[in-house]
Amino acid sequence: GDSVIQMQGQVTLSENDFLFINCTYSTTGYPTLFWYVQYSGEGPQLLLQVTTANNKGSSRGFEATYDKGTTSFHLQKTSVQEIDSAVYYCAMRLNYAQGLTFGLGTRVSVFP
Amino acid sequence: GPKVLQIPSHQIIDMGQMVTLNCDPVSNHLYFYWYKQILGQQMEFLVNFYNGKVMEKSKLFKDQFSVERPDGSYFTLKIQPTALEDSAVYFCASSPTGGHSYEQYFGPGTRLTVL
Repeated sequence: GDSVIQMQGQVTLSENDFLFINCTYSTTGYPTLFWYVQYSGEGPQLLLQVTTANNKGSSRGFEATYDKGTTSFHLQKTSVQEIDSAVYYCAMRLNYAQGLTFGLGTRVSVFP
Repeated sequence: GPKVLQIPSHQIIDMGQMVTLNCDPVSNHLYFYWYKQILGQQMEFLVNFYNGKVMEKSKLFKDQFSVERPDGSYFTLKIQPTALEDSAVYFCASSPTGGHSYEQYFGPGTRLTVL
């Protein structure tokens, strides 16, 4: 079936460190890929959408890339700040479906 | 930005009782969704609702579940009767259309505990 695998459950960083989160997906359909961020006490909110393979999306200093060959997509930020502490979810939406398929989420903690 | 509200934030009920979770979607949105997240597990899609009808549902959307949005009021998820495995955080989302480029806006969730 369709699935999204997000292996890193927790990442702990210091300010100005490099953040890299990786997800892989499996589907026979045509996916649109997303990164959502969830701050404490809130619902997930869209951070980035990546629709074209090997292209980058960027928002708020974050960059996302998508490799169709390896069915993987990545989120990175060169220099994280304490306000970036949150849970980051990768997600996939198929061309024939409405619902999003989420990864498990990566809890990112950034310390000053 | 646009906000989705969910009421209540927490609900504790006894197994077998009925519960209704309420969602106040973004005002001009037309598509509504429920997702379920059991502690430590992935958030999973339950159902999508448009124009008064269920458009798509997953296998998690059991016969005991129902959704409605009477007269443009709250979009609700009703569970009757509840079971222990229904304990989870339920997230509501809305989007302006159903197209793939349109963002789903999520509420903060309702934590349901079934005893």
